[in-house]
Amino acid sequence: SQTIHQWPATLVQPVGSPLSLECTVEGTSNPNLYWYRQAAGRGLQLLFYSVGIGQISSEVPQNLSASRPQDRQFILSSKKLLLSDSGFYLCAWTHPNIKETQYFGPGTRLLVL
Amino acid sequence: TQLLEQSPQFLSIQEGENLTVYCNSSSVFSSLQWYRQEPGEGPVLLVTVVTGGEVKKLKRLTFQFGDARKDSSLHITAAQPGDTGLYLCAGGSGGSYIPTFGRGTSLIVHP
Repeated sequence: SQTIHQWPATLVQPVGSPLSLECTVEGTSNPNLYWYRQAAGRGLQLLFYSVGIGQISSEVPQNLSASRPQDRQFILSSKKLLLSDSGFYLCAWTHPNIKETQYFGPGTRLLVL
Repeated sequence: TQLLEQSPQFLSIQEGENLTVYCNSSSVFSSLQWYRQEPGEGPVLLVTVVTGGEVKKLKRLTFQFGDARKDSSLHITAAQPGDTGLYLCAGGSGGSYIPTFGRGTSLIVHP
């Protein structure tokens, strides 16, 4: 069966510090991968998605970036965090041929102080 | 741009009551998903509907996809405290990699 992991679960970082959040998927090949941010337990804002290694599409201009160094690894990064980067970050995957159904990771709670 | 409007945004009810959550759009979707998210966790897929007029039942939850595939509803019978959470609907369109998510309905069921 497929599983998706995210770490860390919780992160407290000072303003201006760098960020690296990691997401890995097991049990599937060539998944589509997504990064979302969720504020205050409400709707999901799509940040990035990837359909293959090294292929990243950005949906929202910001100081965040994403990379996909391996087929089942997706990384969200920032060189300098802003207060507004605080939130709940979710990674998700879909089967390459069944794009509508998304499977989410447990999330990372980020607090920027 | 496709939009999905969910209503109500918030719902607070007593255990045993029935409720319906709506997900509406002016756009046609090839499929629609419902997710439930508990605080501090990722959303979990409940159901996918793909055919206009389709009705799916999952224990006390009944999901319906509108005939024109522009809207959907989720009905919960005899709600329990364990049903508490954020309910999200999402629509998919054939060739797109990007689903459209509604903003969610936050449900609290009091014992």
